[in-house]
Amino acid sequence: NAGVTQTPKFQVLKTGQSMTLQCAQDMNHNSMYWYRQDPGMGLRLIYYSASEGTTDKGEVPNGYNVSRLNKREFSLRLESAAPSQTSVYFCASSGQGGSGRYTQYFGPGTRLTVL
Amino acid sequence: QKEVEQNSGPLSVPEGAIASLNCTYSDRVSQSFFWYRQYSGKSPELIMSIYSNGDKEDGRFTAQLNKASQYVSLLIRDSQPSDSATYLCAVNVPDSSYKLIFGSGTRLLVRP
Repeated sequence: NAGVTQTPKFQVLKTGQSMTLQCAQDMNHNSMYWYRQDPGMGLRLIYYSASEGTTDKGEVPNGYNVSRLNKREFSLRLESAAPSQTSVYFCASSGQGGSGRYTQYFGPGTRLTVL
Repeated sequence: QKEVEQNSGPLSVPEGAIASLNCTYSDRVSQSFFWYRQYSGKSPELIMSIYSNGDKEDGRFTAQLNKASQYVSLLIRDSQPSDSATYLCAVNVPDSSYKLIFGSGTRLLVRP
């Protein structure tokens, strides 16, 4: 049981390049999320998918797109990378626990640098 | 106005002491509250959740919730150097049971 996995762990891009960050979970969770974390800013929600087949914008969606490929996988795409997108990206998933509440579990993160 | 506020710290305590971390939130209708621990260079790890007013204990950790005053706190008893990390407070988004808002985190340093 790996939980939430992300690839790649590190990536360096040049301005204008594109890339896709991959995320998969094996906890049979319905909901998945993409966050970015910048120093002093905490975690900010980019996009989320409440359930398979749905995606919605979070707090900072500009410059990103997402795809919920199936229940397990949720990818984040940068179409034209900019230096402002240099950050650490975390994927998370959540399911409704015994208490009826949703608890989020995080992947290991991707450190992205855009030059 | 930031919706989940935490003192950025660092909060420095000696080994064996009680560390007290605080968090305030702005929306009265929030129902779910979480504490995550994040070591430098690592991902957030859930350590406590609390949904009802009062205290919830798990080992050396106690979460306290006061909905009337809109604060949630985390106490770490017998602090160890391995507890040195950033602690993130998270609160559910009022119109969504599965979205969270995170505070910026409090950095805790436990001195040997």
